[in-house]
Amino acid sequence: GEDVEQSLFLSVREGDSSVINCTYTDSSSTYLYWYKQEPGAGLQLLTYIFSNMDMKQDQRLTVLLNKKDKHLSLRIADTQTGDSAIYFCAERPGGYQKVTFGTGTKLQVIP
Amino acid sequence: DAGVIQSPRHEVTEMGQEVTLRCKPISGHNSLFWYRQTMMRGLELLIYFNNNVPIDDSGMPEDRFSAKMPNASFSTLKIQPSEPRDSAVYFCASSSTSGRYQETQYFGPGTRLLVL
Repeated sequence: GEDVEQSLFLSVREGDSSVINCTYTDSSSTYLYWYKQEPGAGLQLLTYIFSNMDMKQDQRLTVLLNKKDKHLSLRIADTQTGDSAIYFCAERPGGYQKVTFGTGTKLQVIP
Repeated sequence: DAGVIQSPRHEVTEMGQEVTLRCKPISGHNSLFWYRQTMMRGLELLIYFNNNVPIDDSGMPEDRFSAKMPNASFSTLKIQPSEPRDSAVYFCASSSTSGRYQETQYFGPGTRLLVL
């Protein structure tokens, strides 16, 4: 079945860049998502990328996709304390509604 | 838009009691998903509906769990009888099969369930 893996924890200093990595196994993945979950809250969609794209930039967020290696990354520039949260990578094949989520990466931003 | 609405936000109950969680999807969305989140198992898809019809309930853990979607604006997830191992955060999400952000799931704030 589909599998999405992430490292569990990342710690960075305020102002530095954060890079959260994700690998997936489903070669038919068409849509790849990044969600953010703050403490006590639901998942909030941050950004998404189609599999025919290599990169997508949205303000401080940059998503890179290496489809050959099935590797997705989220870069947060100038990381702020408000970025502290759990970040979930997720994938969905085209034509299907079921999304497979990763285990989540807890980002800790040190002031 | 009010987003996905879930109630109650918190529920504490005793083992053996019936628990009903409620969800109102985003207006116009035609797909609805129920997830469970725990420290041990992460985020698990329990069931999802499309146009009020259950499509995949393979994630429902046991017969004690049931879900219904009587209309496009309301769904329930019921646990009867509840057990301590059901303690988790239950999320509802909805999506649309049309439009620019088709199939993107939008999550509710979750219901935190504690079964004593």
